[in-house]
Amino acid sequence: SQTIHQWPATLVQPVGSPLSLECTVEGTSNPNLYWYRQAAGRGLQLLFYSVGIGQISSEVPQNLSASRPQDRQFILSSKKLLLSDSGFYLCAWSYRGREETQYFGPGTRLLVL
Amino acid sequence: GESVGLHLPTLSVQEGDNSIINCAYSNSASDYFIWYKQESGKGPQFIIDIRSNMDKRQGQRVTVLLNKTVKHLSLQIAATQPGDSAVYFCAEIELYNFNKFYFGSGTKLNVKP
Repeated sequence: SQTIHQWPATLVQPVGSPLSLECTVEGTSNPNLYWYRQAAGRGLQLLFYSVGIGQISSEVPQNLSASRPQDRQFILSSKKLLLSDSGFYLCAWSYRGREETQYFGPGTRLLVL
Repeated sequence: GESVGLHLPTLSVQEGDNSIINCAYSNSASDYFIWYKQESGKGPQFIIDIRSNMDKRQGQRVTVLLNKTVKHLSLQIAATQPGDSAVYFCAEIELYNFNKFYFGSGTKLNVKP
C-alpha cells in the first residue's frame, strides 16, 4: 500500500530563518507530487506541483521554492521566512494521469515568529 | 504574528441524526468534485467523489448530491457519529486541466453525544 510521510510535524521558526520541509512517498512509482498551504480557517492553496524529478511548476509567486531530487521525494524550502508563511503545509501525491484524486500527508504546522 | 483566519461555518448535530454539508463551487467548467474530511491537525482524507455527468452518488453512510444548474454540491452523512466530527471541504476540478483544482474553505461538523 502507498504511504506518504511529512516531517517535521511541527516547526517554530524566527522570521528570516531558512526552511526545509520534506515529503516522501512509499509504495508507488512516478507519482505526481504537490505542496499545499492551508492558512487558519481557510481552504487549501496549491503552491507547487511536480510531474517528475527536477520538474517543478509554481502556482503562486512567493518566497518559497520546491525541489524534487528523487522520484518520491519532494522538498519545500525558503531562504528567509516571512510572518505570512505561517500555516499548515500539506504534501499530496496522485497517480500519473489520475491527478483528480490526491492523497494527502499528515501535514507540517509552521509558525513563524 | 500569525494572521487571524476566518471562522469556519459550523454545523452542530446530535449523534444519530443526519448531517447535510453544503458547498457552492465557482467554476462552471469543473467536471469532477471531491469531498474531503480533515480531522484536527491531520491531512485531508478522501471521502467520496462525483463526476459532472451524475447528480447523486452514494457511499457507505455518505451521499453526494450535485446540482450543476446552481453550482451546488452537498454531502449527506447518515446516522452521524462522534467520529465524524471534523472539517469537511469540497474540491472542484477541471479534468484534463488539473491546474484548475480549487478547494473550498470548509465546514466544521460538531457531533454532540
